[in-house]
Amino acid sequence: DAGVTQSPTHLIKTRGQHVTLRCSPISGHKSVSWYQQVLGQGPQFIFQYYEKEERGRGNFPDRFSARQFPNYSSELNVNALLLGDSALYLCASSLEWESHNEQFFGPGTRLTVL
Amino acid sequence: AQRVTQPEKLLSVFKGAPVELKCNYSYSGSPELFWYVQYSRQRLQLLLRHISRESIKGFTADLNKGETSFHLKKPFAQEEDSAMYYCALSWTGANNLFFGTGTRLTVIP
Repeated sequence: DAGVTQSPTHLIKTRGQHVTLRCSPISGHKSVSWYQQVLGQGPQFIFQYYEKEERGRGNFPDRFSARQFPNYSSELNVNALLLGDSALYLCASSLEWESHNEQFFGPGTRLTVL
Repeated sequence: AQRVTQPEKLLSVFKGAPVELKCNYSYSGSPELFWYVQYSRQRLQLLLRHISRESIKGFTADLNKGETSFHLKKPFAQEEDSAMYYCALSWTGANNLFFGTGTRLTVIP
């Protein structure tokens, strides 16, 4: 198993555009979480999905949305991009949704907004 | 509201010296604390969590509820310990993690 995979690796967009980031969890994992990591900061929680339902949401504007598919893969969508959305976006998967389940992180997608 | 504080952005120690990475948290309920590590050009990965009370790669961390701390310690630092370390908090019934800003540890040969 390659672990959690994310695509694309890098992405450059301009302000006002829309972006879709993708994540494939480890086989058998049902929960996917998304984090934003701005340079010099720790990852900040955006969303958690479990069995296609949103289980948690961080303090992010409605421009951020996500969904999980029947195969447990997930997409993160960001509309009306701002310069401040430039960051590394991390996806993490876990077997179940509770806190004692270890989260396995992907390599991230580096988004640059110009 | 929950908060995780790692007061040191950078920490350098000599090989063989003891190392302590500090983590303080703020949370009104019963927290679950974790240490995650990111080695150069690798993914963020779990190092240890307080509920398992185990030692990983010689590192230990004790949850001190009185001082609201979860400091990471190792008696003898090794060069391969050089990495970025993040303290993170969650709680029963959730799986989202709240991370501190991280401490970059450099072990000097």
